[in-house]
Amino acid sequence: GENVEQHPSTLSVQEGDSAVIKCTYSDSASNYFPWYKQELGKRPQLIIDIRSNVGEKKDQRIAVTLNKTAKHFSLHITETQPEDSAVYFCAPDWNYGQNFVFGPGTRLSVLP
Amino acid sequence: NAGVTQTPKFQVLKTGQSMTLQCAQDMNHEYMSWYRQDPGMGLRLIHYSVGAGITDQGEVPNGYNVSRSTTEDFPLRLLSAAPSQTSVYFCASSTTGYEQYFGPGTRLTVT
Repeated sequence: GENVEQHPSTLSVQEGDSAVIKCTYSDSASNYFPWYKQELGKRPQLIIDIRSNVGEKKDQRIAVTLNKTAKHFSLHITETQPEDSAVYFCAPDWNYGQNFVFGPGTRLSVLP
Repeated sequence: NAGVTQTPKFQVLKTGQSMTLQCAQDMNHEYMSWYRQDPGMGLRLIHYSVGAGITDQGEVPNGYNVSRSTTEDFPLRLLSAAPSQTSVYFCASSTTGYEQYFGPGTRLTVT
């Protein structure tokens, strides 16, 4: 089965700084690479995703980059704000949604 | 659209009791799944379904049963509750197997 890791497990940044979270996976057949955000006590929600034929995707302050050769993809958040404080999960998928393996999560704290 | 709904929001069970967690979606999604999330942990897949009448096991299926008689509903049954099943349970649905939409969760405590 897919082995998914995230680094770092916790991350603290000052408001306005950038944050980068890396997700590594083991299955080279993975073709869909989403990031989910989970605020305290809330449900996970998709914030950005990328397909295997695209190297980078950006949506305002967040971006995802993919390196299929090295089997990792990263979440980039610029100009961090306190509302970015949450746990972020990656969930690389190889079987059109039937893989369903989430990474262990990265807790991001944005300090005012 | 209500999206994905779950009932109840909270539940306390005694060891050995059984119960059903309800999940429904009104987006006509083919895929539905159940996860559990233990404190400070990630999401672990319990069971999933790729369509009505089709279910399969995930990473942690022991102690749970599911069925999918309609596209909309995907109940999760705890057969004989144990303290190790204390967790937050999330139901999710998706179409074409991509973005998953999660329900609000059920917080279950087994004493």
